[in-house]
Amino acid sequence: GAVVSQHPSWVICKSGTSVKIECRSLDFQATTMFWYRQFPKQSLMLMATSNEGSKATYEQGVEKDKFLINHASLTLSTLTVTSAHPEDSSFYICSAQHGRYNEQFFGPGTRLTVL
Amino acid sequence: AQSVTQLGSHVSVSEGALVLLRCNYSSSVPPYLFWYVQYPNQGLQLLLKYTSAATLVKGINGFEAEFKKSETSFHLTKPSAHMSDAAEYFCAVSEYGANSKLTFGKGITLSVRP
Repeated sequence: GAVVSQHPSWVICKSGTSVKIECRSLDFQATTMFWYRQFPKQSLMLMATSNEGSKATYEQGVEKDKFLINHASLTLSTLTVTSAHPEDSSFYICSAQHGRYNEQFFGPGTRLTVL
Repeated sequence: AQSVTQLGSHVSVSEGALVLLRCNYSSSVPPYLFWYVQYPNQGLQLLLKYTSAATLVKGINGFEAEFKKSETSFHLTKPSAHMSDAAEYFCAVSEYGANSKLTFGKGITLSVRP
């Protein structure tokens, strides 16, 4: 149980285009989902907290107009990278909170490469 | 604010040897503590968690961790390393309550020598 999927697993796009990444909780409902960014050989950096039916809460330094987050249902959150640039290339990971101890269950990640 | 310290960036052990990955936390109240493993180009998998019940926590793949409040530590151990244990390991802490964020350590790369 507690499986989280992400789609796509990898994407290559041209500079200036927008890319949408989906995060789904497959066998549970998640009121809260999180979006992380991970650079090579580094830890996860929390970008934003996504709550179903309300606006996401962004961490300091994260551009909310560039990284649009929508949590439209209890099983789906999306991250849209708008007007992507090469510096946005990274590994993006989502997680969904579930269970008595508010554990986070992570998706497999999405590798974004912006040319 | 909470913080997690994972000393060192790389640990190398021989297959069959003891694995010890250190984690110290800083929190004003007893937190929830987690160990996650990440294989290359994959998401994080929960190894085990401490939730204020037993101080010795057993997880998957033969790993365990002991919560020591006096030392503010939550070190991860495995008696006998296997080649498949080679991965990145992250210690994380969170507070109680909904929407609680995870604070991650910087991670430790575990290598296993044949």
